[in-house]
Amino acid sequence: GAGVSQSPSNKVTEKGKDVELRCDPISGHTALYWYRQSLGQGLEFLIYFQGNSAPDKSGLPSDRFSAERTGGSVSTLTIQRTQQEDSAVYLCASSLPPGQGTYFGPGTRLTVL
Amino acid sequence: RKEVEQDPGPFNVPEGATVAFNCTYSNSASQSFFWYRQDCRKEPKLLMSVYSSGNEDGRFTAQLNRASQYISLLIRDSKLSDSATYLCVVNTPTYQFYFGTGTSLTVIP
Repeated sequence: GAGVSQSPSNKVTEKGKDVELRCDPISGHTALYWYRQSLGQGLEFLIYFQGNSAPDKSGLPSDRFSAERTGGSVSTLTIQRTQQEDSAVYLCASSLPPGQGTYFGPGTRLTVL
Repeated sequence: RKEVEQDPGPFNVPEGATVAFNCTYSNSASQSFFWYRQDCRKEPKLLMSVYSSGNEDGRFTAQLNRASQYISLLIRDSKLSDSATYLCVVNTPTYQFYFGTGTSLTVIP
């Protein structure tokens, strides 16, 4: 596609449920990043993929968070047993080689009730 | 200490003014530097990369000072459409991108 796409655009869930967020990077981009942004706050790095492997998972806030990438393309971020503090916009970004400027998707707005 | 620090502002400037933002970073091994722009409730968009020699794109000038570990963005002849939050971004050798918390700019008619 022309840009990074993410789905769903909005997700409302109940506390304790699991959610899956999807990211389709720009075709051919080998590096993929997940961030989250709480209202009025800066971006918090979550995880980085180079191809299908994640050299850096240090940003994942707890073991309830996991992410995978398959085929060097689509990535899913899974949050298990969601908590209210997980409410945020989850942004995905991709870049051609790592280290270049990244291009963001529109984000998934997650609300945990 | 945060990886990247920015003055959050807000900066309120009249149309036509020149405004500058600075950002400092803590990892001397950082390799790549960028400025992003984020409009309210939108995703960040890449504004420009920052090169050691300094670079210009129209009314925007970015500079890097490796010795002092800061980057700057200068906007000349501010337009109303420049109102946004400006994020500085630093990329480390392990390919983590660290974002500053952003500097809010409002250009006033």
